[in-house]
Amino acid sequence: GQQVQQSPASLVLQEGENAELQCNFSSTATRLQWFYQRPGGSLVSLLSNPSGTKHTGRLTSTTVTKERRGSLHISSSQITDSGTYLCAMDDNYAQGLTFGLGTRVSVFP
Amino acid sequence: GALVYQYPRRTICKSGTSMRMECQAVGFQATSVAWYRQSPQKTFELIALSTVNSAIKYEQNFTQEKFPISHPNLSFSSMTVLNAYLEDRGLYLCGARDPGVQNTLYFGAGTRLSVL
Repeated sequence: GQQVQQSPASLVLQEGENAELQCNFSSTATRLQWFYQRPGGSLVSLLSNPSGTKHTGRLTSTTVTKERRGSLHISSSQITDSGTYLCAMDDNYAQGLTFGLGTRVSVFP
Repeated sequence: GALVYQYPRRTICKSGTSMRMECQAVGFQATSVAWYRQSPQKTFELIALSTVNSAIKYEQNFTQEKFPISHPNLSFSSMTVLNAYLEDRGLYLCGARDPGVQNTLYFGAGTRLSVL
């Protein structure tokens, strides 16, 4: 079946450091979406792009659909960036998403 | 802007009883609604996808008999967890697609189900 693999599983950063989160998926995706999961569980949609690079604030999402991979770059990390980042593959507008297990990011002062 | 309200946020039910959660799209008419569950230590699993004017499609391991869904119009969907047991606990999310924003899927805040 469809799979989404994220790496690393966890990441520890010192405030100000940059981070790169990876996402690989097993079948052709229409687009990749990145979410931040709050401690309470709710999801915040960060970025969604079919291919290429997209920016919002300190976040940059890069998707290479042909190679079935994507990444999320966090620049100048802040303590409030701590949490779980989920990558989800969207392979058909009419279908749901397939989620990865997430990368747990911890940022310390 | 597009918003998805999901309620209740938290619920506790006794083993063997049922609970209903609701999902309301605000500011757009959702072409489809997807229901997910995140069990403890797991990622989100798709339960079912509901598209207006089409039959609700359930994923493997999830059935209509256990998770009946109602999707009466383009802005509202509800799902019931029947005869809830420990393995049903977790975070349930609804996501609604907005055709006006490239079919982006917007999520509600989730319903956290605890079973005693």
